Amino acid sequence: QVQLVESGEGLVKPGGSLRLSCAASGFTFGDHYMAWIRQAPGKGLEWLSSITNSGDAMYVADSVKGRLAVSRDNAKNSVFLEMINLRPDDSAVYFCARRIVLGTYGYFDYWGQGTLVTVSS
Amino acid sequence: SYELTQPPSVSVSPGQTARITCSGAALPKSYAYWYQHKAGQAPILVIYKDIERPSGVPERFSASSSGTTVTLTISGVQAEDEADYYCQSADTSRSYSVVFGGGTRLTVL
Repeated sequence: QVQLVESGEGLVKPGGSLRLSCAASGFTFGDHYMAWIRQAPGKGLEWLSSITNSGDAMYVADSVKGRLAVSRDNAKNSVFLEMINLRPDDSAVYFCARRIVLGTYGYFDYWGQGTLVTVSS
Repeated sequence: SYELTQPPSVSVSPGQTARITCSGAALPKSYAYWYQHKAGQAPILVIYKDIERPSGVPERFSASSSGTTVTLTISGVQAEDEADYYCQSADTSRSYSVVFGGGTRLTVL
């Protein structure tokens, strides 16, 4: 069955950076776009970025553009998120998800359980 | 920026029907999707392409679309359906856009 497992730093200082990983299994990873979505405490879901199946293109939400990059290693069935200049309002649970593309849009058919990131001094 | 509007909360008794709406100007031009999210768990896709139900999702989950509003209907609500529900679609003026509604907390009384 499809499994997505996120991991990474739990506590980061303001102005610092983070790198999150998502390990995928149960499907042909290289056939699928992937995405990162977050949920701040008490808030709703916020899409951050999607990456094509080959990794040759990345799409990023305006709210984090310039601070976030997504990459993938299809040989290791993993996708990564890197974010710099972290602020307290970046504190959130970060989810990776498998993206199903329909034209230039689409949806997320499988999600991980998420990993909590807290930005605090 | 484009927004999808959901009611913050809906409450129903067990066995009743819950309806959660999602409104957005571009919904007539772009599919809507619905996710169920329980705290500490992975969100689950319950509806895709406006009205389609993924395999494994109970038949009591259905959806409809009318103009700029889409509606998730849960018939015969069970205690296990208590969760946050999010609609998702796209801003059709921007390629590769992803927009989530603010979420609706379904409470089973």
